[in-house]
Amino acid sequence: EVQLVDSGGGLVQPGGSLRLSCAASGFSFSDYFMDWVRQAPGKGLEWVGRIRKKANSYTTEYAASVKGRFTISRDDSKNSLYLQMNSLKTEDTAIYYCTRGYPAALDYWGQGTLVTVSS
Amino acid sequence: DIQMTQSPSSLSASVGDRVAITCRASQDIRNDLGWYQQKPGKAPKRLIYAASSLQSGVPSRFSGSGSGTEFTLTISSLQAEDFATYYCLQHNSYPLTFGGGTKVEIK
Repeated sequence: EVQLVDSGGGLVQPGGSLRLSCAASGFSFSDYFMDWVRQAPGKGLEWVGRIRKKANSYTTEYAASVKGRFTISRDDSKNSLYLQMNSLKTEDTAIYYCTRGYPAALDYWGQGTLVTVSS
Repeated sequence: DIQMTQSPSSLSASVGDRVAITCRASQDIRNDLGWYQQKPGKAPKRLIYAASSLQSGVPSRFSGSGSGTEFTLTISSLQAEDFATYYCLQHNSYPLTFGGGTKVEIK
């Protein structure tokens, strides 16, 4: 059974940093691109970014709203995905979900982890 | 960026009704589209992939159609458990973009 478990959320001040994690199981993690998606309170879904697999040199793509501040990484030996968030703004407050990307096209999602950016 | 215009933004319907939700892409995305259902406090669940393929385990009352720029999610006979918010997603090009969502409420 495919499982994605998000963790690492919490309360952080504007300008601060936070690192989210996603633990994957039940599939060959290294064969998939992986994505992060977020949802601000009461709002719709926003794609954050993607990391490709080793065969694609672990290259990344980001939404314009987070580019230069957020970094996606992965550790295939630990079946884990990460989202390093720096220079956080109040508008980054959201639930963050990891999800399985290409070739799965965002089929399975983690349960989400809440990030609150507030002073 | 590809804009996904989803309509309606909300609708009221009764159990047993046929419901259709539309997404229009600002440019051709072939069939690189998925439909998702989200209930309060839960992660989105994919219903349809490749515009018209039913995700394993999803009831057959859900169906998807369309290609290019016009897509439709249809629920043939609305059930109580279908009251939720629905989103489309294009994954044809970066950045991936979602429709604004359709909240399906009980009439």
